Formats: sequence, structure tokens, C-alpha cells
Amino acid sequence: EVQLVESGGGFVRPGGSLRLSCAASGFTFSKYWMHWVRQAPGKGPVWVSRLNYEGNVTDYADSVQGRFTISRDNAKNTLYLQMNSLRVEDTAVYYCSRAGLRWGQGTLVTVSS
Amino acid sequence: DIVMTQSPDSLAVSLGERATINCKSSQSVFYSSNNKNYLAWHQQKPGQPPKLLIYWASTRESGVPDRFSGSGSGTDFTLTISSLQAEDVAVYYCQQYYGAPYTFGQGTKLEIK
Repeated sequence: EVQLVESGGGFVRPGGSLRLSCAASGFTFSKYWMHWVRQAPGKGPVWVSRLNYEGNVTDYADSVQGRFTISRDNAKNTLYLQMNSLRVEDTAVYYCSRAGLRWGQGTLVTVSS
Repeated sequence: DIVMTQSPDSLAVSLGERATINCKSSQSVFYSSNNKNYLAWHQQKPGQPPKLLIYWASTRESGVPDRFSGSGSGTDFTLTISSLQAEDVAVYYCQQYYGAPYTFGQGTKLEIK
């Protein structure tokens, strides 16, 4: 069974940083592109970023380009999202996603002064 | 970016009746080299993460009841629930994964009449 378990969310002030993690199991992690998708309270999902199998090809949404960095450790079956220069509008539940289709349970990030 | 537009925004259907949700993409999500439409449908119940129902426009995810079906090609797609059950109350999203940024429709809220 595919399992994606996110962690690392929390409360942070504007301008701060957080690092999210996603522990994957139940499939061969190194064979999939992995994604982050976020969902602000009461809104629909918004794609954030993706990373290829080896971890050397990335794409980002314009809204996070230059502030967020996606990475992975295939030996640990773990996906990461380093989030810097956080803004109030980054407040959302962040989901790890296999191939952009299958979802984890999410971790809440709240950015507020 | 590919814009996904769903209709209607909300829908009320009687138990046992058919529910139909439409999704239109601003450009084709059909890839001729593999004859596949890069279109998925997700279901989200309150307080839960989205759940993949349909991918490749018409392939049901494992474990999804067969009352759920997807159809369409190119730019026009439909999710049909053949006989609405109480547990189907949710928000439904279409998503294109033809290319980054992956984009979602605005969602359709399905309720019981």
C-alpha cells in the first residue's frame, strides 16, 4: 500500500523558514517523480513543485520560485521541501504526492505575524 | 499554464440518481504518442486529503467503486456517478498532469437533494 507521511509543518513568522519532509513507503520511491501540492484553508489544491527520479530536474510554481527548494534522498525514501522567506499567503496544508496524483495526509504550515 | 474550468460549481442530486460534473481545459491534454489524456479526477471530503478517483481520464483507481466513471478526450471531460450514495458527498476536482505547472479545476461541491 502506498503511504506518504508528511511532517515538519508548524507556525512561523513572515520571513521565516521551515523544512517539510515526506516519508514514502509501499512502492519503489526512486522510480517516481515526486511532487508537493498545497491547499490554503477553504481553497482548492495548488501544485507547488516536482522533482525527477534522480533529483536533478525540478519545476516550481511561479509563486514559490526562488524561495522553495525541493529535494529527495532515495536511500531514505524521503522527499523534502525547504521553504525560505515565507509569506502569509504560503499558509496551507502541504501534501506530498507521488507522480502528482496520489496524496499523503498533509502537514499544516501557518505563516502569521 | 493550462486553465481547468469545471461546471457546475455546485450540484445537488437525489440519492440513487446520476451526477455529472464537467471539466474543460484551455488546451488539449491528449498526448498522441501514447494515446493518453493526462486528466485526473479527485474527491475530497471535509477534513480529509484529496483522493485519486480516476486517471488517464477514464481509468479507475484501485478500490474506487464502479459507479464512478470518467470520459472525454482532448479538452472536454466528464465525471459521472451513476447512482449517488450518501458517502459521495464531497468536493470533486479535475486536474491536468500534461505538463508543469499541474493545474486543478476550481472544484464542484456535490450535495444530496
